[in-house]
Amino acid sequence: DAMVIQNPRYQVTQFGKPVTLSCSQTLNHNVMYWYQQKSSQAPKLLFHYYDKDFNNEADTPDNFQSRRPNTSFCFLDIRSPGLGDAAMYLCATSRARINEMMFFGSGTQLSVL
Amino acid sequence: AQKITQTQPGMFVQEKEAVTLDCTYDTSDPSYGLFWYKQPSSGEMIFLIYQGSYDQQNATEGRYSLNFQKARKSANLVISASQLGDSAMYFCAMREDTGTASKLTFGTGTRLQVTL
Repeated sequence: DAMVIQNPRYQVTQFGKPVTLSCSQTLNHNVMYWYQQKSSQAPKLLFHYYDKDFNNEADTPDNFQSRRPNTSFCFLDIRSPGLGDAAMYLCATSRARINEMMFFGSGTQLSVL
Repeated sequence: AQKITQTQPGMFVQEKEAVTLDCTYDTSDPSYGLFWYKQPSSGEMIFLIYQGSYDQQNATEGRYSLNFQKARKSANLVISASQLGDSAMYFCAMREDTGTASKLTFGTGTRLQVTL
């Protein structure tokens, strides 16, 4: 059974039109992460939540926001998508701060037209 | 800052043969963890194997083994008896423990193609 679930699997949006990607988990993990992976590149961490504490990576553009209304759900909001934001977005979870493995969802492939 | 290097953009291996995917790392932290993930064309990240910096023995998981050489800062993945289904992108990653959570830093990946 899937433990980290991302919806939708494919998302198409228009240039400049806000879009939200969702992630849910059944593992009751404290930490949730959002990674961006562009074609043929390594995943790049955008931000993470430890419980309700939000931690932004220094080079994450302001265009990217996140919400975590409860332990199970986390959302990635892209306020004004540009063509350069087309990528695979991976959600991951882990249980605690250190010495923990990360579990990934299947990802959402975002296209910007 | 941590750094992960994978120098092989692509590799070919014949079915049933063994293959080694290279990974070197750089960190000043005494405690760290190294991971290998497989990413097929469908996009999901599949965990393969984990090695902790204090582990005395090399990690093994079925056909996967990790050749951990701490002094040389390398953590190569060995896949034995390759199968056609092993064709995928493989990422080496290092766990960094921060004040709030652990984070993974990925290498650029190696695309493995298994041939008949």
